[in-house]
Amino acid sequence: KNQVEQSPQSLIILEGKNCTLQCNYTVSPFSNLRWYKQDTGRGPVSLTIMTFSENTKSNGRYTATLDADTKQSSLHITASQLSDSASYICVVSADSGGYQKVTFGIGTKLQVIP
Amino acid sequence: ETGVTQTPRHLVMGMTNKKSLKCEQHLGHNAMYWYKQSAKKPLELMFVYNFKEQTENNSVPSRFSPECPNSSHLFLHLHTLQPEDSALYLCASTSTHDRANQETQYFGPGTRLLVL
Repeated sequence: KNQVEQSPQSLIILEGKNCTLQCNYTVSPFSNLRWYKQDTGRGPVSLTIMTFSENTKSNGRYTATLDADTKQSSLHITASQLSDSASYICVVSADSGGYQKVTFGIGTKLQVIP
Repeated sequence: ETGVTQTPRHLVMGMTNKKSLKCEQHLGHNAMYWYKQSAKKPLELMFVYNFKEQTENNSVPSRFSPECPNSSHLFLHLHTLQPEDSALYLCASTSTHDRANQETQYFGPGTRLLVL
């Protein structure tokens, strides 16, 4: 069964600090992995997309890594800001007969405090 | 804004009511999705439409009835819902031909539904 597990479930950090969120998956055959940011009361917005051949990708202060061998990904946030407070969702896609079957993680709720 | 709009943003309904959720995308995408997001659970895919044709129905109860009149509009008709159906209902769209972006889904802001 395809699964995506994220940790920690929630996290509180001080403004300006760095943090790393984890994602482990058992999805196969692997197609790509995305990290989404979901602000409270809004829909998820894509931050990064990585395919099998990519092991790191950055989007501003967000850096995602992917280890396809161990089936792990991380999202590193540098110099956190109050606006980073949100849920971060790991989403893994599998190739399924010509279309993509998507499995969502439960998300990590991040709170950045002054 | 993501180019996907949803109305209403909030809805309170009784178990005997009939209501509809609306989603509209202005991105020229060909596929649209309904998801249910409950607290402490991953997003649950409900329905998928590709070029107006329903291609996936993830064992959703018949009290949820989708309608896709064209590639830009998607509705979710609700009737005789249960309190456990209270959740955030998200609409998303994608272009299945957008290989460069790996078919990234663009989400609307959601409709927060409360069933009393």
